[in-house]
Amino acid sequence: DIQVTQSPSSMSASVGDRITITCRSSQNITSHLNWYQHKPGKVPKLLIYASSLLYSGVPSRFSGNGSGTDFTLTIGSLQPEDSAIYYCQKSYVSPLGSFGPGTKLEI
Amino acid sequence: EVQVEQSGAEVKKPGESLQISCRTSGYNFNEYWIAWVRQTPGKGLEWMGIVYPRDSDTSYGPSFEGQVAISVDRSVNTAYLKWKSLKASDTAMYFCAPMSVFSSGNINHFYMDVWGEGTPVTVSS
Repeated sequence: DIQVTQSPSSMSASVGDRITITCRSSQNITSHLNWYQHKPGKVPKLLIYASSLLYSGVPSRFSGNGSGTDFTLTIGSLQPEDSAIYYCQKSYVSPLGSFGPGTKLEI
Repeated sequence: EVQVEQSGAEVKKPGESLQISCRTSGYNFNEYWIAWVRQTPGKGLEWMGIVYPRDSDTSYGPSFEGQVAISVDRSVNTAYLKWKSLKASDTAMYFCAPMSVFSSGNINHFYMDVWGEGTPVTVSS
């Protein structure tokens, strides 16, 4: 099975900072990679799909990049409401939608 | 508008069986995979598996194969997640979502953009 890892597992940053979260796949998944934001007690929210496409309604400070095995999620100017756990998800071959372990972001 | 409605909270004892549901509307139910995801504080989001309503084809994540069963009832546009014998470690929040598709050329990208509110399951003696 293709494994998905993330780094860092947690991080702390300040309002206005630019941060990057990394996701790595154990095999080539081309651009089949999604990013989600999950806050406690809430439903996970899709941010980015197909590696770099911004989902409708998501602020433009969020961006995704990468292909093959290495991917990044960048938040351009952190806002207080960006505190959450961020997950990458591969959407390629079985098991189709495996998630990374998550990155906890504290603002 | 796609809508996803999940069944309510459950409290069960170890060894009991359970089936929770995920009712959808606003799209062609037969044409889109439906996924189940487990969320626990310690392990985050875990991919449990998917079902294709048209032919009930299923695929499970490696940790869930043989532990749960995913099915559908096309007559009521509903997917189900079933346990035969619950364990305390099944205590979690369970989410479902139809998998949307973005097609680029002949390549399909799947993603989950409309989620149910989740079904909390507590298993305790």
